[in-house]
Amino acid sequence: SQTIHQWPATLVQPVGSPLSLECTVEGTSNPNLYWYRQAAGRGLQLLFYSVGIGQISSEVPQNLSASRPQDRQFILSSKKLLLSDSGFYLCAWSVLGGYTFGSGTRLTVV
Amino acid sequence: RKEVEQDPGPFNVPEGATVAFNCTYSNSASQSFFWYRQDCRKEPKLLMSVYSSGNEDGRFTAQLNRASQYISLLIRDSKLSDSATYLCVVNWGGGADGLTFGKGTHLIIQP
Repeated sequence: SQTIHQWPATLVQPVGSPLSLECTVEGTSNPNLYWYRQAAGRGLQLLFYSVGIGQISSEVPQNLSASRPQDRQFILSSKKLLLSDSGFYLCAWSVLGGYTFGSGTRLTVV
Repeated sequence: RKEVEQDPGPFNVPEGATVAFNCTYSNSASQSFFWYRQDCRKEPKLLMSVYSSGNEDGRFTAQLNRASQYISLLIRDSKLSDSATYLCVVNWGGGADGLTFGKGTHLIIQP
C-alpha cells in the first residue's frame, strides 16, 4: 500500500536559522510530489511541485526552496527562516489524479 | 486568477440536522472538484470527489453546477464526529500543477 512519511511533526526555530523538512513516499513509483503551506487563518497554498527527479516548479516567490534527489523523496529547505515562514507544512503525492497528504509539520519561527 | 471561495463559518448545527455548504470557483475551465475534510491540527483527507451528475456517499451528497460555477456539500443526519473544517478543492487543468483549496468552512455539530 502507498504511504507518505513526513517529519518532524513540530518544529520551533529561531529567525535566521536554516530549515530542512523531508518527505518520503512508499509503495508507488514516479509520483507527482507537492509542498503546501497552511498559515493561520488562511487556506492551503501550493509552494512547490515536482513531476520527477530534479524537476521542481515553484508557485510563489519566497525564501524557500525544494529539491527532489530521489524519486520518492522531496525536501523543503530554507537558508534563513523568517517569522512569516511559520505555518503548517504539508507534503502530498499524486498518482493518476488522487492526492494524499502527509501528516504535516507545524513550524513556529520565533 | 485562480480562486476558490467558501463561507468560513462557523456553522453551528444541532446533532441530527441537515447542513449544506456552497463553494464558488473562478475558472470555468476547471477539470475536477473535491471536498476534503480537515480536523483540527491534522492533514486534509479526501471526503469525496464531485461529479457532474452529482454523487452521494452515505449521508453526504455533492453537487456540481458548472453554469454557475459552484459546488455544494450536503450532510444529512449530522453527527458530532462531523465537526471539522470542510475544504472545497479544485483541479484547474487536470495536470501536475496541484490542487487549489478554498479556506474552508468550519462546522460545529452541537449535542
